[in-house]
Amino acid sequence: GAVVSQHPSRVICKSGTSVKIECRSLDFQATTMFWYRQFPKQSLMLMATSNEGSKATYEQGVEKDKFLINHASLTLSTLTVTSAHPEDSSFYICSARPASGGNLEQFFGPGTRLTVL
Amino acid sequence: AQSVAQPEDQVNVAEGNPLTVKCTYSVSGNPYLFWYVQYPNRGLQFLLKYITGDNLVKGSYGFEAEFNKSQTSFHLKKPSALVSDSALYFCAVRAPNTGGFKTIFGAGTRLFVKA
Repeated sequence: GAVVSQHPSRVICKSGTSVKIECRSLDFQATTMFWYRQFPKQSLMLMATSNEGSKATYEQGVEKDKFLINHASLTLSTLTVTSAHPEDSSFYICSARPASGGNLEQFFGPGTRLTVL
Repeated sequence: AQSVAQPEDQVNVAEGNPLTVKCTYSVSGNPYLFWYVQYPNRGLQFLLKYITGDNLVKGSYGFEAEFNKSQTSFHLKKPSALVSDSALYFCAVRAPNTGGFKTIFGAGTRLFVKA
């Protein structure tokens, strides 16, 4: 149980276009989902926390108009990178916290590698 | 402020030998500590966690970690390394009673196990 999927796993886009990444909890309901960004050979940096039905909370330095997050249901959160530029190229990882089970559980998706040309 | 330090960028060990991946933390109050493993182009997989109780925590794939409060450390260990253990390992900490539920990750340590 507790599987989190991401789609797509890999995307290449042209500079200036927008890209949407989906994060789904497949076998549980997630009240909270987290979006992380990972640069090569670096750790995960939390970008934002999204709660179902409310606006996402962004970390300092993360542009909310650049990285649009929607958590429309208890099993789906989306991250849209708007007007992508080469510096947005990175590995994006989501994680989900179950509605039940306390604050400690956090399950990670397999990640999405974004390359902006 | 919470912080996690993994002092080694890379650890090399021969297959069959014991391995240790170091982690120290700084947090006010009692910490919740985690270890995750990441394989290339994959998300993080949970290995183990320390919440309370026995200082020696056993996790997946034969890994264990020892919580040492006086040294504020949570080193990951395995008695006998396998080549398949080669991966990137992250230590993480979360302080209890923080409303935002923010998990802070260390920089990661790359483990190479040589046959």
